[in-house]
Amino acid sequence: LAKTTQPISMDSYEGQEVNITCSHNNIATNDYITWYQQFPSQGPRFIIQGYKTKVTNEVASLFIPADRKSSTLSLPRVSLSDTAVYYCLVGSHSGYALNFGKGTSLLVTP
Amino acid sequence: GAVVSQHPSWVICKSGTSVKIECRSLDFQATTMFWYRQFPKQSLMLMATSNEGSKATYEQGVEKDKFLINHASLTLSTLTVTSAHPEDSSFYICSTPTGGVDEQYFGPGTRLTVT
Repeated sequence: LAKTTQPISMDSYEGQEVNITCSHNNIATNDYITWYQQFPSQGPRFIIQGYKTKVTNEVASLFIPADRKSSTLSLPRVSLSDTAVYYCLVGSHSGYALNFGKGTSLLVTP
Repeated sequence: GAVVSQHPSWVICKSGTSVKIECRSLDFQATTMFWYRQFPKQSLMLMATSNEGSKATYEQGVEKDKFLINHASLTLSTLTVTSAHPEDSSFYICSTPTGGVDEQYFGPGTRLTVT
């Protein structure tokens, strides 16, 4: 399993863009990069997944450099409701349990 | 996407009693369900994997006789915490794979407090 490293916590003000970087130096050729969001006292929610370059959806963007040894989750113009823990996962299987690391606790303040 | 529900959302019980937590897949046939436990300020830890119609597989350190898992149908998996103790107080979350790589639907979680 490719190990991931993320900052433990980040702070931001409302309206700013937040970039959370995840390191995964041992990523395998078949591995995808997936991000989950977890609000307090709720189950995690899938937000975005990518393999290379850039992926964008209505929630976030995911930037993956050519060497794929890291990835950056970008949240545009965060609001207070984006306060959550964000988990980066790397894997290539479906139907297996997920190995959550410590995640990044994002606090958005006014 | 599929919705996974859990019931109850929170429960308080006395030490020594048993508590059952239900995890339902509302519009998705869940052959496999995962049960995770999350202590405050910590990440999710996998407890067990349940497959419909067969015995659950437990992670190392998780007592199978204490955490009884039943997955009798494609839409319902239950976790029963038997003889609960205060150290079992935690947030219990179930999930089911969607078929995509590392993609799962998670339930909203159940907060268990044992007094």
